[in-house]
Amino acid sequence: AQSVTQLDSQVPVFEEAPVELRCNYSSSVSVYLFWYVQYPNQGLQLLLKYLSGSTLVESINGFEAEFNKSQTSFHLRKPSVHISDTAEYFCAVSDQGGYNKLIFGAGTRLAVHP
Amino acid sequence: DTAVSQTPKYLVTQMGNDKSIKCEQNLGHDTMYWYKQDSKKFLKIMFSYNNKELIINETVPNRFSPKSPDKAHLNLHINSLELGDSAVYFCASSLSGGQADTQYFGPGTRLTVL
Repeated sequence: AQSVTQLDSQVPVFEEAPVELRCNYSSSVSVYLFWYVQYPNQGLQLLLKYLSGSTLVESINGFEAEFNKSQTSFHLRKPSVHISDTAEYFCAVSDQGGYNKLIFGAGTRLAVHP
Repeated sequence: DTAVSQTPKYLVTQMGNDKSIKCEQNLGHDTMYWYKQDSKKFLKIMFSYNNKELIINETVPNRFSPKSPDKAHLNLHINSLELGDSAVYFCASSLSGGQADTQYFGPGTRLTVL
């Protein structure tokens, strides 16, 4: 069975500082990896995903994540955060067989302070 | 234009009642999902339909019954509501249900059972 572990439930950070949100997964099969973001009182929206190819994937708003197969990790990073990045971030996996069944981590609350 | 919409946004009801949540997507997607997000923000898939056919049915009490009248709609009916059903329920859709597909989430329905 697959599982996703987000190692930090909360990450406080000052504006313009770098941030890393950690995600590890376990699976006996090849997986696709996703980061979704949930802004307050909203639904989730895709931030970025890894399907194949380059292990470094980027989003349009400056986030990036690196797939590391040997460490079974998919950590999310941003070199300089803004107040508007304050949100809940969810890491998720879906296996490459069967239907699109996302398994989510417990989420990491990123709180950016001025 | 709202891509995935849910009604109602808030639902407060007594134990033992029956209630429904409606979901509609105007993205032309073939696959729709229901997720439950508990008070600790943990997200878990409940059901998925592809072209009106049930394809994912997690271990959910049979008091929960999804219905898909057409591929643009997926409703969730809950019988005999219990305190533990209090949560935010998210509807989502994806293009074809493929494992790499992005899922698009609705704004959520906050259900409170008193």
